Amino acid sequence: NAGVTQTPKFQVLKTGQSMTLQCAQDMNHNSMYWYRQDPGMGLRLIYYSASEGTTDKGEVPNGYNVSRLNKREFSLRLESAAPSQTSVYFCASTTGTLFETQYFGPGTRLLVL
Amino acid sequence: AQSVTQLDSQVPVFEEAPVELRCNYSSSVSVYLFWYVQYPNQGLQLLLKYLSGSTLVESINGFEAEFNKSQTSFHLRKPSVHISDTAEYFCAVRKVDDYKLSFGAGTTVTVRA
Repeated sequence: NAGVTQTPKFQVLKTGQSMTLQCAQDMNHNSMYWYRQDPGMGLRLIYYSASEGTTDKGEVPNGYNVSRLNKREFSLRLESAAPSQTSVYFCASTTGTLFETQYFGPGTRLLVL
Repeated sequence: AQSVTQLDSQVPVFEEAPVELRCNYSSSVSVYLFWYVQYPNQGLQLLLKYLSGSTLVESINGFEAEFNKSQTSFHLRKPSVHISDTAEYFCAVRKVDDYKLSFGAGTTVTVRA
C-alpha cells in the first residue's frame, strides 16, 4: 500500500495563477482532508470530505475549492493564487469511524511569488 | 470549539536526557487526544492517542502521555531521548462526535549529542 500520496511535491506559482493539488489514498478510506501548515500555527483544516460525494468547509476555506473525484481522490484547487497561500499542504484520510486516526500524505510545498 | 495550546515552541535537549512536551486544551465537551510527530520533510505520523480507559498511554518507541481531565492536559514525556527523536511534535484534539482535528502550534524537539 502506498497510503496517501500527493502531487506535486513542490510548486512555484506567480500571483494570480491557478493550480490543482492532487491527493489519492489506497486504503479504502471514506473521509479525506486538506490542511495547510504554517510556521507557529500548526495545521489548519481547509476542507474535508466525510464521504464520497460530500465536501465541507474547514477553518480556512477562503481562496480554495475542492473536488472529491471518487472514493480515492480528493483535489484542492487554488483559482487565483496569492502570496498568503504560500504554505505546506497536507492531505489526510481516515475510515471515518469515530475511533480511527488520520493518515497523512508527505505534503506539497507551495511558493506563491 | 476546542483549542489546543502547546506551551513550548522549542525544546532543546541532550541525548539520553528526559523530555516533557506540554499540551493543554479547552473544550466544553468530551474529547479524544492525540500526539503526532513530524520528522524533517515528512508528513505527520500518529505517535499515541487517548480515547478512553487508562489515562496513561504509551507508544512503541518509549513515549508516554497522561490525560489529566481536571487540568485539561495531555503532556508527552520520554525518559531518555535519542538523536532520532529530533522532530516536531503536535498535540491534537477531536470532539468525540466529530471527525475534525484541532492542532496545537507544534513543539520542535532538537536532540544534541
